[in-house]
Amino acid sequence: KAGVTQTPRYLIKTRGQQVTLSCSPISGHRSVSWYQQTPGQGLQFLFEYFSETQRNKGNFPGRFSGRQFSNSRSEMNVSTLELGDSALYLCASSLIQSPKNIQYFGAGTRLSVL
Amino acid sequence: AQKVTQAQTEISVVEKEDVTLDCVYETRDTTYYLFWYKQPPSGELVFLIRRNSFDEQNEISGRYSWNFQKSTSSFNFTITASQVVDSAVYFCALRNSYGGSEKLVFGKGTKLTVNP
Repeated sequence: KAGVTQTPRYLIKTRGQQVTLSCSPISGHRSVSWYQQTPGQGLQFLFEYFSETQRNKGNFPGRFSGRQFSNSRSEMNVSTLELGDSALYLCASSLIQSPKNIQYFGAGTRLSVL
Repeated sequence: AQKVTQAQTEISVVEKEDVTLDCVYETRDTTYYLFWYKQPPSGELVFLIRRNSFDEQNEISGRYSWNFQKSTSSFNFTITASQVVDSAVYFCALRNSYGGSEKLVFGKGTKLTVNP
């Protein structure tokens, strides 16, 4: 069974641009969450989706947005990029939305903002 | 508020040594879940174990063992007879059950280096 797939793996953008990251969950998984990982702040929760609805959102500015499609695939978008947005963005999927679930992570998209 | 503290930033051991990674958590909820994940250089977080707040039975799985103590809010992880392949960053994480969210709160991680 294929794992969580994130594309692209690496991305270089300049300040002010916008970027879209993609996540394909494990087949059959319907819940998707996104996390940002930076050396300074560590791993921080961005948002989670289930059945195409955003269920929870972390403490990030409105420049960070996301969506989930009917096939459970998810995208996140960052507009007006800032240098501080440089990070590893990780996507995780689970079967259904439940606190006892195990989330399985992808290898991430490493975003560099110049 | 939820918080996870991994006081050890980096640990370096020689192969075959035993090593314990510490994790202390804070939560006001009575029902919660604790996790350990491993992050090798490739970047992917690999799930190791999940524990719920009602299950204080400690577990051993091969070279790995976990010690969960509610009285001290700790969930420590021990690798016995470490190997070079164990080198990675290890994260402890907490999830509350209130509200049904799957949001994980992570500690800052402990970088383990196992030298041959």
